Amino acid sequence: NAGVTQTPKFQVLKTGQSMTLQCAQDMNHEYMSWYRQDPGMGLRLIHYSVGAGITDQGEVPNGYNVSRSTTEDFPLRLLSAAPSQTSVYFCASSQGARANVLTFGAGSRLTVL
Amino acid sequence: QQPVQSPQAVILREGEDAVINCSSSKALYSVHWYRQKHGEAPVFLMILLKGGEQKGHDKISASFNEKKQQSSLYLTASQLSYSGTYFCGTGTPGTASKLTFGTGTRLQVTL
Repeated sequence: NAGVTQTPKFQVLKTGQSMTLQCAQDMNHEYMSWYRQDPGMGLRLIHYSVGAGITDQGEVPNGYNVSRSTTEDFPLRLLSAAPSQTSVYFCASSQGARANVLTFGAGSRLTVL
Repeated sequence: QQPVQSPQAVILREGEDAVINCSSSKALYSVHWYRQKHGEAPVFLMILLKGGEQKGHDKISASFNEKKQQSSLYLTASQLSYSGTYFCGTGTPGTASKLTFGTGTRLQVTL
């Protein structure tokens, strides 16, 4: 099993550009989420989903959109990138929404100039 | 609101012990502990559910004090491989996988 796969690993954008970070899992996990990690701030939840067709906002959702059309995929869209969105992004999934272990992807490092 | 971890950083010699604390201003339902090595993804260590349980994983154990809304991670006889940043994540009933993480504790183990 591949686990949680994120692409791309690295990306450089200019301010105002849009892009999508891809996340796919092959473990049939119901729950998927996106975190961003900035120095000294730990991991902060952007958006999450408890199943196909269901998404909700986390702590820092502004500037990001998500959708969950299938159980396997949970893409994160930046509509108009800003330098404040320079960060490392992690996708994570778990079997269910109740107290289950999160499996993280390898991360995507995004730089916005 | 993010849980507060202490200390922010600690340096140990191999074989020494360490304690990392995690405090929340909200009632705790579950506490997860993860370790992240530099440039890698966080990796699950253990989960504790309310009830004051103490779980163990090799020489790493943790406690959960529901009344004090605190959890502590105990690393005994530390090894070089324990180096990394440790995060606690707190969950709430209903969507306990939706974790709020602390800012992390950076642990360095030296010879």
